[in-house]
Amino acid sequence: DAGVIQSPRHEVTEMGQEVTLRCKPISGHDYLFWYRQTMMRGLELLIYFNNNVPIDDSGMPEDRFSAKMPNASFSTLKIQPSEPRDSAVYFCASRPGQGPYEQYFGPGTRLTVT
Amino acid sequence: AQSVAQPEDQVNVAEGNPLTVKCTYSVSGNPYLFWYVQYPNRGLQFLLKYITGDNLVKGSYGFEAEFNKSQTSFHLKKPSALVSDSALYFCAVSHMTTDSWGKFQFGAGTQVVVTP
Repeated sequence: DAGVIQSPRHEVTEMGQEVTLRCKPISGHDYLFWYRQTMMRGLELLIYFNNNVPIDDSGMPEDRFSAKMPNASFSTLKIQPSEPRDSAVYFCASRPGQGPYEQYFGPGTRLTVT
Repeated sequence: AQSVAQPEDQVNVAEGNPLTVKCTYSVSGNPYLFWYVQYPNRGLQFLLKYITGDNLVKGSYGFEAEFNKSQTSFHLKKPSALVSDSALYFCAVSHMTTDSWGKFQFGAGTQVVVTP
């Protein structure tokens, strides 16, 4: 298996622009997670899905952030409009089913908003 | 509510010496505990986990961790550190409840620096 795939790996955009981050989870995994990592706040859970349904979005910082999972093999995290404080590394992770399973992380997308 | 603490921001150790990275947790009921490692510009990689049973868990790259229920700790250890072990290490806890299935609580991370 190729593991969790994220694209793009790097994104540089100007303040006010829309940014879309993409994730392909490991085939057969029921859970998908979006995290944000910064020096100041460490690793933060933004939202997670179970069987394509959002379960907990309490970590989404504000309405500018939205996430979708239209099918079991694809998810997007969108920021509109982007701001410099959104600059971070965004990780996607997936895990199989209910139970004490580990999460498998993608390589991350480094977002820079100027 | 569940939480996890990594009391050290950084651990410095000489190559060949034992390495310990500390983790304590707080959760009601039985925890599931995990260790991850993150190398620069990479995603988190799973090292090992404790579910139940033997308190000493062995994982990847020669790492092991000891679950101590009375001290609510899950410290990561390696008998002989390598320079290539220099990385950021995260402890995480999960708990089986109907509203938190799948959700991990990660610690703040501990930077390990192994000097030659």
